[in-house]
Amino acid sequence: NAGVTQTPKFRVLKTGQSMTLLCAQDMNHEYMYWYRQDPGMGLRLIHYSVGEGTTAKGEVPDGYNVSRLKKQNFLLGLESAAPSQTSVYFCASSYSEQGSEQFFGPGTRLTVL
Amino acid sequence: GENVEQHPSTLSVQEGDSAVIKCTYSDSASNYFPWYKQELGKRPQLIIDIRSNVGEKKDQRIAVTLNKTAKHFSLHITETQPEDSAVYFCAATNSGGYQKVTFGIGTKLQVIP
Repeated sequence: NAGVTQTPKFRVLKTGQSMTLLCAQDMNHEYMYWYRQDPGMGLRLIHYSVGEGTTAKGEVPDGYNVSRLKKQNFLLGLESAAPSQTSVYFCASSYSEQGSEQFFGPGTRLTVL
Repeated sequence: GENVEQHPSTLSVQEGDSAVIKCTYSDSASNYFPWYKQELGKRPQLIIDIRSNVGEKKDQRIAVTLNKTAKHFSLHITETQPEDSAVYFCAATNSGGYQKVTFGIGTKLQVIP
């Protein structure tokens, strides 16, 4: 099992450009999450999904959109990138049972110039 | 919503000494408290967790305690080793409905050989 994978690993964008980050999991997890990690701020939830075809806003959703067309994939989109979106992005997934471990992907380091 | 406070933000200990990281939470409905370890440049990974019906849990050199009345929980690492150097995140999960997870800001632990 590959677990949780993320594409790409690194990306540099110019302000105003768009991009999509792909997260894939092969553990048949219902729940998937997108976090951003910034120095001194821990992991902050951007958007999450409780199942195929569902999405919901997390703590810091502005400037991002997501889609979950297939159970195993969760896409994070930046329509018009801003320097404030420079961060490390982690995808995670978990079972739906109460109190389940989250499995994280390796992360995507995004720089917006 | 839930608020998780974690301290200290940095911690240096001599190899062989113990390390303690403390977290407090605000939502009395939170009932699952995982701890994640993130080594430099790697993804966060679960190292231990505790549920609200348990007061203490141990796994070799790692232990977690939970005080529901005071709404705080702590991570204890004994006989620290250089490979324990990492950032540790606590989290609180409200398992009612979707699993809303709130992370602390992290503690950077340095074990000095």
